[in-house]
Amino acid sequence: GNSVTQMEGPVTLSEEAFLTINCTYTATGYPSLFWYVQYPGEGLQLLLKATKADDKGSNKGFEATYRKETTSFHLEKGSVQVSDSAVYFCALSGISSGSARQLTFGSGTQLTVLP
Amino acid sequence: DAGVIQSPRHEVTEMGQEVTLRCKPISGHNSLFWYRQTMMRGLELLIYFNNNVPIDDSGMPEDRFSAKMPNASFSTLKIQPSEPRDSAVYFCASMTSGFSTDTQYFGPGTRLTVL
Repeated sequence: GNSVTQMEGPVTLSEEAFLTINCTYTATGYPSLFWYVQYPGEGLQLLLKATKADDKGSNKGFEATYRKETTSFHLEKGSVQVSDSAVYFCALSGISSGSARQLTFGSGTQLTVLP
Repeated sequence: DAGVIQSPRHEVTEMGQEVTLRCKPISGHNSLFWYRQTMMRGLELLIYFNNNVPIDDSGMPEDRFSAKMPNASFSTLKIQPSEPRDSAVYFCASMTSGFSTDTQYFGPGTRLTVL
């Protein structure tokens, strides 16, 4: 079955530091890959996505590249801000029963950015 | 454009009581998902509907949980009777189903506390 393994947290960084959150996956076929972000007290928001190998998703300074050869989708940001403090979820979308693509989530990584 | 709407945002109840959580998906979306989030188990898919029909309820924990989608703009998740271990944040998400679309949009969640 499908699975997502995410870097264990929590991660604490100083403002303007470089961020990497590792994500690897196991899936059959050609899944789409996502990063969702959850701010305190809120629901999950789509941060970025990539739908095929070598695609790069990007948003708000965050980037992730779909690497089929290493089955990875690592999240990076060159200079984090205090406002980036949140929980980050890696996910993949694969076909299960029915016609809708279901999401399989990683365990989430708590990021805290200190001023 | 309104996102996914969930109510109530917070619910505190006593063990044995019936709890009903409500969700209004984004207009035009035809797939709806119910998730549960806990510290111990992370994000779990409970059930999903496609065109108002339940497709996969294998994630529903037990018979105390039931979900309905009487029309395209409304769904409920009911727990009867509730137990303290049901305490969690419950999210609803919706999307337009199809093999070429796979982005789910989440509501803000309902935080349930069962005393």
